[in-house]
Amino acid sequence: GESVGLHLPTLSVQEGDNSIINCAYSNSASDYFIWYKQESGKGPQFIIDIRSNMDKRQGQRVTVLLNKTVKHLSLQIAATQPGDSAVYFCAENLNDYKLSFGAGTTVTVRA
Amino acid sequence: NAGVTQTPKFRILKIGQSMTLQCTQDMNHNYMYWYRQDPGMGLKLIYYSVGAGITDKGEVPNGYNVSRSTTEDFPLRLELAAPSQTSVYFCASSYSGSFDRQETQYFGPGTRLLVL
Repeated sequence: GESVGLHLPTLSVQEGDNSIINCAYSNSASDYFIWYKQESGKGPQFIIDIRSNMDKRQGQRVTVLLNKTVKHLSLQIAATQPGDSAVYFCAENLNDYKLSFGAGTTVTVRA
Repeated sequence: NAGVTQTPKFRILKIGQSMTLQCTQDMNHNYMYWYRQDPGMGLKLIYYSVGAGITDKGEVPNGYNVSRSTTEDFPLRLELAAPSQTSVYFCASSYSGSFDRQETQYFGPGTRLLVL
């Protein structure tokens, strides 16, 4: 099966609320993780990344948390906006330049 | 910079036909990749290249071929199209391929292929 996966395929969020998107990975040797955002009809777009020597990393309105003990990754989006509606993928670095992607979570923002 | 560009955006093929999906990047990236994305699924790596003249298989290479004659271009060839190759194809590039500097892959807009 896939080494990277997401807990929920869909997430509906009220505009202004915080969103939390989860991802489980199975390869304990992975040392680098990325979150991508994919809008309808477009290619994936880099959001934020984190190395395995970190537990948390913050960007603009986004935070990635890494729990290596349970091999869990999450993406938190603060004050979710309509423009945040998209499919979100986590990906792990398997071998320097190869990424393994999860199936994705579709986030829908309700007005 | 245009980034990563792909042509065509959409194509319908008959079973057994062949075609080439074009990919070009103007960021002087060494590494280039081809992925396919099936409905509701993540991206699967088809082929990748670490530089001009060097290519290697990814996770799902069967039914595809690639070449890398220049740094900028990385075409993907389907020789005998099959319905199982109906998918969205994404090309990506990165500078060095190493994540030591936390460099990421930049994706093109995708090519939607339908094989009937």
